[in-house]
Amino acid sequence: AQSVTQLDSQVPVFEEAPVELRCNYSSSVSVYLFWYVQYPNQGLQLLLKYLSGSTLVKGINGFEAEFNKSQTSFHLRKPSVHISDTAEYFCAAKAYSSASKIIFGSGTRLSIRP
Amino acid sequence: EAGVAQSPRYKIIEKRQSVAFWCNPISGHATLYWYQQILGQGPKLLIQFQNNGVVDDSQLPKDRFSAERLKGVDSTLKIQPAKLEDSAVYLCASSLDRDTAPYGYTFGSGTRLTVV
Repeated sequence: AQSVTQLDSQVPVFEEAPVELRCNYSSSVSVYLFWYVQYPNQGLQLLLKYLSGSTLVKGINGFEAEFNKSQTSFHLRKPSVHISDTAEYFCAAKAYSSASKIIFGSGTRLSIRP
Repeated sequence: EAGVAQSPRYKIIEKRQSVAFWCNPISGHATLYWYQQILGQGPKLLIQFQNNGVVDDSQLPKDRFSAERLKGVDSTLKIQPAKLEDSAVYLCASSLDRDTAPYGYTFGSGTRLTVV
């Protein structure tokens, strides 16, 4: 079974500052990893995904994440945030098996201060 | 391409009443998922369909929740009777099939249920 832990429930940051949202996963098998963003009153939108290959993954809206197998982490980063990045961010994992399901972390609320 | 459509967007009911949610996935998507997202938590899978067959309903409270996907397209999720703890956002998602699911699901905007 897999589990996903998002270490920070809330992250406040000033506009144009860099941000890192932390995610650790636990699994006995290899997994795919995802970051989703949820804006208020909306569904989840895929930001980026790690399937294989390069451990640095670039996504939409200037976000990137780095897969670290030894530390079982998949932290999300952005060098300079904007007010429009205010949202809830979810890390997720899915085992390679086609029968497995995506497991989500509990989310990190990113709030941007002007 | 049209996204995943869900209705209604909001629903308020009294406990012990029944409620139904509707989902229309992206055209051609064989796999459909219903997730429950309680405030402050990540989404939790309730049920997964492959075409019109159930693949995983291990976390569906079957004494009160039911779901169907007739003809392998639209799906409905029903709660009867509702409890206060069912207050949540119910998200529908779809993917082309289970083998392409790693490329990500497409989520609908969700139905926010409040049970009073």
